[in-house]
Amino acid sequence: DAGVIQSPRHEVTEMGQEVTLRCKPISGHDYLFWYRQTMMRGLELLIYFNNNVPIDDSGMPEDRFSAKMPNASFSTLKIQPSEPRDSAVYFCASSLVGTTSPKETQYFGPGTRLLVL
Amino acid sequence: DQQVKQNSPSLSVQEGRISILNCDYTNSMFDYFLWYKKYPAEGPTFLISISSIKDKNEDGRFTVFLNKSAKHLSLHIVPSQPGDSAVYFCAARVSGGYNKLIFGAGTRLAVHP
Repeated sequence: DAGVIQSPRHEVTEMGQEVTLRCKPISGHDYLFWYRQTMMRGLELLIYFNNNVPIDDSGMPEDRFSAKMPNASFSTLKIQPSEPRDSAVYFCASSLVGTTSPKETQYFGPGTRLLVL
Repeated sequence: DQQVKQNSPSLSVQEGRISILNCDYTNSMFDYFLWYKKYPAEGPTFLISISSIKDKNEDGRFTVFLNKSAKHLSLHIVPSQPGDSAVYFCAARVSGGYNKLIFGAGTRLAVHP
């Protein structure tokens, strides 16, 4: 299994531009999570999906952020327009429903490092 | 309002000694606590966990202790090795919360020879 796949790995853009981050979860996993990592706040949960349906988006910072999951194998996180304070590492994670084992809780992708100039 | 707190941003330990990483939480509805380890340019990976009904869980060199009355948990690494140098995140799972995890800010551990 290739694990959770994220693209791009690095993104540099200018303030005001649209940014789209992509994620392919592990096949068969029913949950998908988007996180943002910053020095000040650590790992923050932005939004998560169950069976492609958004369950909790309370962590999305503002309307400039949106996330979609059109099918079980693909999700996007979009920032429009981007601002310098959005610079961070964005992680996607997936997990399997129906398990009580915390070992199966979440598998993380390698992250996308975003820099907004 | 941070529900999971790691108050030490960094820790430096000599190889062979014990590393102790601490974590505090405020929500009594967490049913599992987990530690994730993160190397640079990689995503976090699961390390060890503990159920809220237990007070200790051990896996090789790694032991997690839970003190529910104090809402405190700690990760002990004995003996520490240079390969343990990484950022360690404490996380708590929300009971009935669809595998939702609340993470702390992380502690950077440096193990030096």
